[in-house]
Amino acid sequence: AQKITQTQPGMFVQEKEAVTLDCTYDTSDQSYGLFWYKQPSSGEMIFLIYQGSYDEQNATEGRYSLNFQKARKSANLVISASQLGDSAMYFCAMREGETGGGADGLTFGKGTHLIIQP
Amino acid sequence: DGGITQSPKYLFRKEGQNVTLSCEQNLNHDAMYWYRQDPGQGLRLIYYSQIVNDFQKGDIAEGYSVSREKKESFPLTVTSAQKNPTAFYLCASSWGRGINQPQHFGDGTRLSIL
Repeated sequence: AQKITQTQPGMFVQEKEAVTLDCTYDTSDQSYGLFWYKQPSSGEMIFLIYQGSYDEQNATEGRYSLNFQKARKSANLVISASQLGDSAMYFCAMREGETGGGADGLTFGKGTHLIIQP
Repeated sequence: DGGITQSPKYLFRKEGQNVTLSCEQNLNHDAMYWYRQDPGQGLRLIYYSQIVNDFQKGDIAEGYSVSREKKESFPLTVTSAQKNPTAFYLCASSWGRGINQPQHFGDGTRLSIL
């Protein structure tokens, strides 16, 4: 079963609009971390935002915020006032706690290709 | 500037040949990782290392080998046993193994078969 599911392979959004990128996750751990990364066409992975499973407040970093709904196992990324430079692949990733049973790296979803139109 | 340097940017491998991808970091991070990315896919973990002289297999370690002789360096060798090596390879590092530690990535190496 997929541990990280991103259901939107691609999205087109008008410049200056807000956009929500969906991410659902699956884990039996109580302690875990959720991350969003941006990958421009050049290939590097840029860390955007982090949400811990015990954090009561939704994380925010500038124009990025994370809509964390723990009971639904959902961690959607919201980009406010989108810009042309936001066009890229966006990946949701999870790191499980000590009892996760998996490897110690991040588990990634397949990504969403976001295109901002002028 | 602190960061992660991967080299080369592009690499070509002949059949039956081993090739080594370089990853160097000057962030003083303890943990380092190698991921593979195939077209249209997310990243998959190959190997990781939490400390010098120690490393662990990830989800897709077969056909790959690593070493961690220095804190700053974590080279990846793609061996001839890896039958489908064409992919984009990304190296990452983080302060430690805490779940709140983001991983910081290099610019990647694109490997192709000749």
